Parts: sequence; structure tokens; C-alpha cells
Amino acid sequence: AQSVTQLDSQVPVFEEAPVELRCNYSSSVSVYLFWYVQYPNQGLQLLLKYLSGSTLVESINGFEAEFNKSQTSFHLRKPSVHISDTAEYFCAVSEGIQGAQKLVFGQGTRLTINP
Amino acid sequence: DTAVSQTPKYLVTQMGNDKSIKCEQNLGHDTMYWYKQDSKKFLKIMFSYNNKELIINETVPNRFSPKSPDKAHLNLHINSLELGDSAVYFCASSQGTGPRNEQFFGPGTRLTVL
Repeated sequence: AQSVTQLDSQVPVFEEAPVELRCNYSSSVSVYLFWYVQYPNQGLQLLLKYLSGSTLVESINGFEAEFNKSQTSFHLRKPSVHISDTAEYFCAVSEGIQGAQKLVFGQGTRLTINP
Repeated sequence: DTAVSQTPKYLVTQMGNDKSIKCEQNLGHDTMYWYKQDSKKFLKIMFSYNNKELIINETVPNRFSPKSPDKAHLNLHINSLELGDSAVYFCASSQGTGPRNEQFFGPGTRLTVL
């Protein structure tokens, strides 16, 4: 079974500073990786995903993540964060099991932006 | 328009009671899910339905019984509630069951068992 490890439970940064949220997954033949964001008191929203092709994927709000097969990582980065980026971020790996999709989530990283 | 909706948003109840959470999606998806998020924010899948058929059951106590009356609805009924059932329950949906699909999540139902 797949597993995901998010190495930091909390990441505090100052506004306009760069940030990296780390994610490592267990190795598998086919890997489909997702980053979801959960704003306070809301459900999860897809931020970006890697399915195949280019190892660098981007979101519309300035986040990017790089799939690194040799290091089994899918770290999320943003060069300059805003107060509005304060949220919980979840890395997930998707596996097909018995004809169904199963998302396996990491423990989440709370990103706190300080002014 | 809300894509995936859940009712109620908050649910406070006593141990031993039976309660239901409803989920509806208007995305035309054929696959729906229930997830449980515990107090440490850890998310774990509970059930998955495709075209009203159960396809994933992640070793959830049989006090939990999902029901899918049609493809747009997946309700969760919980019998004999226990303190450990306190959590946020999220419904989600996707088009198809393949591992590449995006899942769309509802806003969550915060269940508190006293």
C-alpha cells in the first residue's frame, strides 16, 4: 500500500517570503500525486496534480510542485507567499485498488503567514 | 452553485444516539466517497461508491452504514455513536474510478459526540 509523509506539521513564514512544503511518497510503478489545500473551516480544494509528463506542475495562484522520482518527493513551493495562503496543505498519492481510486493523504502541513 | 454539499454542517449529539449525514453532488459524477478527518487533521477514506455500488470499505465499524439512493447522493448513517466518532466527515465525488481523477470535496460535517 502507498504511503505519504509530510515532514513538517507546521511551517510559519513571513509574508512575501518563499516557502517549501515537503512531501515524500512510497515508491510504486505508477504514481499520481496531488496537493490539496484546506482553508479554515472549509473542505479540500485541489491545488495541483502530477499525472505524467513534465515533472514541474503549477497552480493558478503561484504554487508549483516538482515530481522527483529518484527522491520519491513531490515538494510544494511558492516564491512569495501572501496572508491568504494561510491554510492546511495535504499531499496525497492516488492508487487504483480493486477497480477504485483511493487517495492516501499525508498528515498535512499547516502554513501560517505572518505579516 | 455548490458542487458537493453536505448537511448538516455541525452535528452535536449524545453517545449512543443514531445520526445521519447527507451528501449531494451536482457535478454529474458517478463515484462518491466518505472521508474522516480526526482531531489531528489526518484524513482517511472510509467508503467509496460507484454507480450506487460499494467499491471501497476501509475496515470501518459496521455501525457506519453508507447508502447511495442514486448516483448524486451518498448518505452516511451512524448507529450507537461513540466518543471516538467525533471528527469532521467529508464527502467527495469524482468522474470515474481511475487513479488519475480529481476528487471534489464537500465543506465537511463536524460531528461532536458528548
